[in-house]
Amino acid sequence: GAVVSQHPSRVICKSGTSVKIECRSLDFQATTMFWYRQFPKQSLMLMATSNEGSKATYEQGVEKDKFLINHASLTLSTLTVTSAHPEDSSFYICSAPPGSGTETQYFGPGTRLLVL
Amino acid sequence: DAKTTQPPSMDCAEGRAANLPCNHSTISGNEYVYWYRQIHSQGPQYIIHGLKNNETNEMASLIITEDRKSSTLILPHATLRDTAVYYCIARPDTPLVFGKGTRLSVIA
Repeated sequence: GAVVSQHPSRVICKSGTSVKIECRSLDFQATTMFWYRQFPKQSLMLMATSNEGSKATYEQGVEKDKFLINHASLTLSTLTVTSAHPEDSSFYICSAPPGSGTETQYFGPGTRLLVL
Repeated sequence: DAKTTQPPSMDCAEGRAANLPCNHSTISGNEYVYWYRQIHSQGPQYIIHGLKNNETNEMASLIITEDRKSSTLILPHATLRDTAVYYCIARPDTPLVFGKGTRLSVIA
């Protein structure tokens, strides 16, 4: 099946710094990618939709100036957590559908962010 | 999106079939039923999806009732590696929206 990778898998940073997470589709092109966040013992929450060549669309309650998304190519989307705070510590997961319409989504392995 | 209801947890003996139910009584005609699972600290893994007909692949079988108001995911021979949270999602298209799922524990 289609493969989605993320980098890094784990990151620890100091409060106030910015962290960039990369999401790559390895064997297919993705005009759209999705970013999710998962807090401990909770389900995945959709944060935003990343669109190649245009602005990302954010879910209600997600600050677009804090979570910067750049979809620079058909295989790469990046999420930058700016001015990170301890409450941003979470498991961030990206996903991409290999096609349009009713195709399934393939998920990356996730990035665990810990902000000290 | 159709709301789905799943039991919060289930146990299954290793080697036995695991039958995970999902209620989606408000599903619309264009909404597919998707099943994903998430093993601890990993990204969700696609299992199977269907619209009206029953489906089977190398991982599982999906049985959808004729009125489409509920479905059952069947893992025919559960192993310890199948221990995970299983999510049932009814959605016409991406992106998928996750509920709380069922935590399946496969017991030796």
